[in-house]
Amino acid sequence: AQSVSQHNHHVILSEAASLELGCNYSYGGTVNLFWYVQYPGQHLQLLLKYFSGDPLVKGIKGFEAEFIKSKFSFNLRKPSVQWSDTAEYFCAVNPSLGSQGNLIFGKGTKLSVKP
Amino acid sequence: DAGITQSPRHKVTETGTPVTLRCHQTENHRYMYWYRQDPGHGLRLIHYSYGVKDTDKGEVSDGYSVSRSKTEDFLLTLESATSSQTSVYFCAIASVSGGTASTDTQYFGPGTRLTVL
Repeated sequence: AQSVSQHNHHVILSEAASLELGCNYSYGGTVNLFWYVQYPGQHLQLLLKYFSGDPLVKGIKGFEAEFIKSKFSFNLRKPSVQWSDTAEYFCAVNPSLGSQGNLIFGKGTKLSVKP
Repeated sequence: DAGITQSPRHKVTETGTPVTLRCHQTENHRYMYWYRQDPGHGLRLIHYSYGVKDTDKGEVSDGYSVSRSKTEDFLLTLESATSSQTSVYFCAIASVSGGTASTDTQYFGPGTRLTVL
């Protein structure tokens, strides 16, 4: 079965530290990839997405992600985190063929940023 | 904001009672989805719809049914609620710019927190 793995359950950083959250998926075909963020008590918001083209994708709020096809990975990065980045981050995959757009989500990574 | 509302936003009910959650959208999107979010599980797809009266099961559909009689409304029903259905339920929509839902982005509603006692 297709799956998405986010290896870090909880990451704690100080402000200005660099962030990298891992995401690996198990699907051999073409995929569309997403990162969503959920601030405390809120709904999921799209951070960035990859469908095709440049594997380095830039999103909102200074986030970026790199798609490495050979590693089945789509890691999220930010060079300098802020306290306001405290949230839960979800990676999601959508197989682009034969799909009704159903997303497969990772279990999420909680990010706590200390001021 | 993708024009998605969910009602109710919070509900407490008792085991064995039927519950219906409503997702309403204002932008005529074809695809709609229901997910549940539980700690340690991320979001899991319950049911989805690809048009009026066209629905299909997701990963965790047991104990749930859905209906879509109008483009704008997608209802999720728990026929007989159980404590294991205590969760936060999110509706999502996808507009289809590339011809299939797999080529577009899902946007989420504000969620419904359901507690089954």
